Amino acid sequence: DGGITQSPKYLFRKEGQNVTLSCEQNLNHDAMYWYRQDPGQGLRLIYYSQIVNDFQKGDIAEGYSVSREKKESFPLTVTSAQKNPTAFYLCASSGVPAGGSYNEQFFGPGTRLTVL
Amino acid sequence: DAKTTQPTSMDCAEGRAANLPCNHSTISGNEYVYWYRQIHSQGPQYIIHGLKNNETNEMASLIITEDRKSSTLILPHATLRDTAVYYCIVKDTDKLIFGTGTRLQVFP
Repeated sequence: DGGITQSPKYLFRKEGQNVTLSCEQNLNHDAMYWYRQDPGQGLRLIYYSQIVNDFQKGDIAEGYSVSREKKESFPLTVTSAQKNPTAFYLCASSGVPAGGSYNEQFFGPGTRLTVL
Repeated sequence: DAKTTQPTSMDCAEGRAANLPCNHSTISGNEYVYWYRQIHSQGPQYIIHGLKNNETNEMASLIITEDRKSSTLILPHATLRDTAVYYCIVKDTDKLIFGTGTRLQVFP
């Protein structure tokens, strides 16, 4: 089945530790995104990548890092510099729009990170 | 910041039409309106999008006013599985800006 996988679903870490969240897609999409969601809030964009080996900061990139070495993978590292890392993290992907048309974003199931 | 305004919550009886309004008074001429929904603790799901004309697909209809300053998402026959948070989004370049959405509760 085609789709986006995120693992694990729940993740616990001690304060001060870096942690890497996995995101894999087999949809052959060029663009990938990471969002953060806090309780009762909408999604906020952390980083996005429109092509391999290239990525851009979103609205809340501080304390996070990403890499895009392969088309199908876009891992997110939550570093110890992120002051409030406990949140629900969502990964998404989309095809690059052609001729100005819109390609919907497909979301993974999310990873709920709790920092103790 | 999100460029849309939506009611915080709405209720709808099962089998009836759910009409979810969205205000986007600052929308520019080439910006589309998109709707996503998020069922509790899952990733958002795309529903529909439009520019000027009304749109319909297997999930919903989108009605955009002539001045494009507001729109309404219509779920023609709501079911319990439609209970979710619905986000109205005006696309900012290549990024989606999510607001807090409307929490739709469908009751039996």
